[in-house]
Amino acid sequence: AQSVTQLGSHVSVSEGALVLLRCNYSSSVPPYLFWYVQYPNQGLQLLLKYTTGATLVKGINGFEAEFKKSETSFHLTKPSAHMSDAAEYFCAVSEGFGNEKLTFGTGTRLTIIP
Amino acid sequence: EPEVTQTPSHQVTQMGQEVILRCVPISNHLYFYWYRQILGQKVEFLVSFYNNEISEKSEIFDDQFSVERPDGSNFTLKIRSTKLEDSAMYFCASRAGLVDGEQFFGPGTRLTVL
Repeated sequence: AQSVTQLGSHVSVSEGALVLLRCNYSSSVPPYLFWYVQYPNQGLQLLLKYTTGATLVKGINGFEAEFKKSETSFHLTKPSAHMSDAAEYFCAVSEGFGNEKLTFGTGTRLTIIP
Repeated sequence: EPEVTQTPSHQVTQMGQEVILRCVPISNHLYFYWYRQILGQKVEFLVSFYNNEISEKSEIFDDQFSVERPDGSNFTLKIRSTKLEDSAMYFCASRAGLVDGEQFFGPGTRLTVL
C-alpha cells in the first residue's frame, strides 16, 4: 500500500520568497513521485516527476523537488515566488510500471502575498 | 498541444438517476483513468482501463459504476443510480504507455447530486 502526507494544508509566502511545500510518502516498492498543480476551475497539471536516476528533478515554472529515500520525502521548492504560483499543489505516488494508479496527498493551497 | 477534454463541465442530477460522464483522451494514448475529488478532500483513484478492459479498480468503484470506451475515442464513466455522496469533481486522465509516462488530466466534471 502507498500513501502520501502533505504537511500544511495552507502555505503563504511573500512574492519573491522561497516556496517550500512538504511531501512525505510511504511505499512498499521504489516509488514514482509526482507534483501536480491545480489552478482554479482547471484540471491537474504535472509540475515534475521522479521515476529513477537523478534525485533532484526540475520541472516547469522554476519548480524543483528532491527525492530523499532516507527521509521518504519529496519536497517541492522554488527559489522566488511569483503571484502566478498561487494554486493548489498535490503530491502523488505510484508504484511504477504495471501499477500506475496515483495516490494523492490532501493538497497544499499556496497563497502569494504581494 | 493535445489535451484531455471532458463533458459536461457541470452536471446536476437527482438522487437515483443515471449519469454518464464523458472524456476524450489524447488520441494516441493507451491507458485511461478516472479519479474523483470530493469537495475539500483529496483526489482518489477510481479505475484504470487498458486494452478495452479494467486493469484495476478501487473499493469506491462498486457495481454502481462502469466504464466504457465505446468508439475508440470517447471514454465514459457511468453511475447507474446516483447517491448524494457521489457529488464530487470527476477527473479523467490518459497516458501514452511509456514506462514512466505521465498521466494527463482533463479539466474535470463537477457532479452535483440533489
